[in-house]
Amino acid sequence: DVKVTQSSRYLVKRTGEKVFLECVQDMDHENMFWYRQDPGLGLRLIYFSYDVKMKEKGDIPEGYSVSREKKERFSLILESASTNQTSMYLCASSTIAGGSSYNEQFFGPGTRLTVL
Amino acid sequence: QKEVEQDPGPLSVPEGAIVSLNCTYSNSAFQYFMWYRQYSRKGPELLMYTYSSGNKEDGRFTAQVDKSSKYISLFIRDSQPSDSATYLCAMTGNTGKLIFGQGTTLQVKP
Repeated sequence: DVKVTQSSRYLVKRTGEKVFLECVQDMDHENMFWYRQDPGLGLRLIYFSYDVKMKEKGDIPEGYSVSREKKERFSLILESASTNQTSMYLCASSTIAGGSSYNEQFFGPGTRLTVL
Repeated sequence: QKEVEQDPGPLSVPEGAIVSLNCTYSNSAFQYFMWYRQYSRKGPELLMYTYSSGNKEDGRFTAQVDKSSKYISLFIRDSQPSDSATYLCAMTGNTGKLIFGQGTTLQVKP
């Protein structure tokens, strides 16, 4: 059973703080993703990674960076948190097996981040 | 204009009703169409997945894709209170990158 875990369910930080969100998957998936979810906007892709030390910008990368030093772990970093980064952050992973352009993404439970 | 449009609702129906959830999209390159279900305080889980046009049935759930109209639907028959959740449509083309709709919140009342 695929499991994607996120380091915190709820997080409260102050403006200007550096914030680390951690995600770990246990299914040896190649691809990992970070999304943010906001009411009325759905899920928006921030960054994704298809291999260790590889990263690609998603649709809204501004204000974020990522790190993937190990295959199972993908970190999202807010260098200087701002109030407009208050959101639900979701991590996901997927395999690239089968040659399909799509493989199911498995999501973690999310981290609700509040920036004051 | 968003690439994928989905009415956020909320949608409230009595138990046993047939529910219809819909999304429209603008990118004709989309080939893979998904419906995710997200319970409160949980991450989304894949419910149905369809490649190209056509119908797919799984128990009480039916997914339909009409590529000529750029319109996808999810039907839930005999809806149950346990179906109360947010339903997200998602789609992708050759990139594998998912584009999500805004999500529709469904409440099924006993």
